Amino acid sequence: SQQGEEDPQALSIQEGENATMNCSYKTSINNLQWYRQNSGRGLVHLILIRSNEREKHSGRLRVTLDTSKKSSSLLITASRAADTASYFCATGGNLDDKIIFGKGTRLHILP
Amino acid sequence: SAVISQKPSRDICQRGTSLTIQCQVDSQVTMMFWYRQQPGQSLTLIATANQGSEATYESGFVIDKFPISRPNLTFSTLTVSNMSPEDSSIYLCSVDWSERDTQYFGPGTRLTVL
Repeated sequence: SQQGEEDPQALSIQEGENATMNCSYKTSINNLQWYRQNSGRGLVHLILIRSNEREKHSGRLRVTLDTSKKSSSLLITASRAADTASYFCATGGNLDDKIIFGKGTRLHILP
Repeated sequence: SAVISQKPSRDICQRGTSLTIQCQVDSQVTMMFWYRQQPGQSLTLIATANQGSEATYESGFVIDKFPISRPNLTFSTLTVSNMSPEDSSIYLCSVDWSERDTQYFGPGTRLTVL
């Protein structure tokens, strides 16, 4: 069964604007991860946030985690055309835990 | 990080045939995973492949349809058997990188079944 649910399913913004994607999950987690998938390509790991962390930064990416609300957000600042991709949140992945993916948010950056 | 390669990168196959997808990792890893991504959908885990034991399949996936081999710690294969158009998907392998609590993914194999 799927754990993460991304919101929105699709998002189009102008280049230079910030993009925010949200993810909700149902059960307790050890960590939550965000991945990017360019069209028809393999997944690229973006960032992992552990359950005892509230916020994490990596370059133009900012991830927050609210375990009380079972939700996470991914913020991409100063978006670029190359950010056009699908973004997935995933839970699990601790040692032999399976990673379970949400359905993803399709982000389209308009020139 | 691990470098993962897959062969073939894409293929077009006829209904009723089988295709074996190879996954090669540049370092030894304990756990390898096979995923399927149907058009417009998220990833779904097919099975977990550990070296030296039979693969563990997720609900809805069976060994007769998706036999998996894991002969050593750097290689695995997934066979899609007796294919139908519904098997048209991207198939990805991934490896568990326990030191970082994350997985790294191969580039995927795009399969089209006519």
